[in-house]
Amino acid sequence: DGGITQSPKYLFRKEGQNVTLSCEQNLNHDAMYWYRQDPGQGLRLIYYSQIVNDFQKGDIAEGYSVSREKKESFPLTVTSAQKNPTAFYLCASSGRSETNEQFFGPGTRLTVL
Amino acid sequence: AQSVAQPEDQVNVAEGNPLTVKCTYSVSGNPYLFWYVQYPNRGLQFLLKYITGDNLVKGSYGFEAEFNKSQTSFHLKKPSALVSDSALYFCAVRDRTNAGKSTFGDGTTLTVKP
Repeated sequence: DGGITQSPKYLFRKEGQNVTLSCEQNLNHDAMYWYRQDPGQGLRLIYYSQIVNDFQKGDIAEGYSVSREKKESFPLTVTSAQKNPTAFYLCASSGRSETNEQFFGPGTRLTVL
Repeated sequence: AQSVAQPEDQVNVAEGNPLTVKCTYSVSGNPYLFWYVQYPNRGLQFLLKYITGDNLVKGSYGFEAEFNKSQTSFHLKKPSALVSDSALYFCAVRDRTNAGKSTFGDGTTLTVKP
């Protein structure tokens, strides 16, 4: 089956620790995205990548980092600099054209204790 | 800058009645508009999109949406609602001038009561 996988589904970390969220796709999509979802605030773009070895900051990149070493993978690291990291994180991919819809993974719920 | 507004946090309808979920947008170029649906604790699923051409677009699960350029709107509609349509709905916009970024609305919770 083609799709996007995110792991783990639930993640708990202590305050001050960095944590990396996994995102893998086998849809052969060039573009990948990370969003943060908080109640009542919709989806906010953290980082996106339109091609391997290149990525851009989204609207709320502070306290996050990414890498795009392979077309299939776009891991997100939530650093200790992120002041309020508890949230639902969604990864997505699409073709590079602006006319393409995005395909979303099932999400990772991060709770920082 | 591009933006999307979904003016209603919640929409409640009775099963079998028509439903409308509203969306207005602002972009500097030609808009590409999308609707997505999210079921509890899951990722978003694509419903339909407007790129160009016919202003009425049809999508999955019997949903359709009407693009209105003069009112900068892209409202989601369904002639007869089902209880299973209850979910969180997001409108999104992209345009060519913004490097492929999507901007999402805050979402509208649709509740269909039997």
